[in-house]
Amino acid sequence: QSALTQPASVSGSPGQSITISCTGTSSDVGGYNYVSWYQQHPGKAPKLMIYDVSNRPSGVSNRFSGSKSGNTASLTISGLQAEDEADYYCSSYTSSSTLEVVFGGGTKLTVL
Amino acid sequence: EVQLVESGGGLVQPGGSLRLSCAASGFTFSSYWMSWVRQAPGKGLEWVANIKQDGSEKYYVDSVKGRFTISRDNAKNSLYLQMNSLRAEDTAVYYCARDFPAWADAFDIWGQGTMVTVSS
Repeated sequence: QSALTQPASVSGSPGQSITISCTGTSSDVGGYNYVSWYQQHPGKAPKLMIYDVSNRPSGVSNRFSGSKSGNTASLTISGLQAEDEADYYCSSYTSSSTLEVVFGGGTKLTVL
Repeated sequence: EVQLVESGGGLVQPGGSLRLSCAASGFTFSSYWMSWVRQAPGKGLEWVANIKQDGSEKYYVDSVKGRFTISRDNAKNSLYLQMNSLRAEDTAVYYCARDFPAWADAFDIWGQGTMVTVSS
């Protein structure tokens, strides 16, 4: 089972919007609405930002939004702030016989 | 405060064993599926295993099947990962995490992680 495909890096200036893509297959992203997104700062544990494609947990800023089209999910961050600089990972339930949850390889967001 | 605290990591030789523990507090532990997720140094996240609320169902990533065993003690609000026949490629930070809102969906609470290093 290959990891979900994410761009290695994205960047944006403060105030701008960026989008991170996460491409899978019909066995994971495309087949289920169980896509989630995590933010991880260096040396810290991941933090859940989006679950079930587009839902935000309590306390997460509404600058973060999620969507899905076919086998590709997306995380959009609007009004970029310096503290958004971090690694972002997507994940999805998978019907693969080898595991239950698959993660993307991660995307490094740089705020210029 | 809702939290998970892992312990038990360390340096172990290839072929050795280690048992990780995760203490839960601030929520009804017995009501949730729980998972272990690992992260090799400088690499991405990898789901390792999860366990149903009553321990009756357990799932593993292929690479650890037959070597790792996930378990829980709801009376002690604790999650465990017994790791046997350890390999260099098992070197990682191991996180326990709460499945939310359902099994194999997302992970909303994470521990701080415990480092496991497999090396001679």
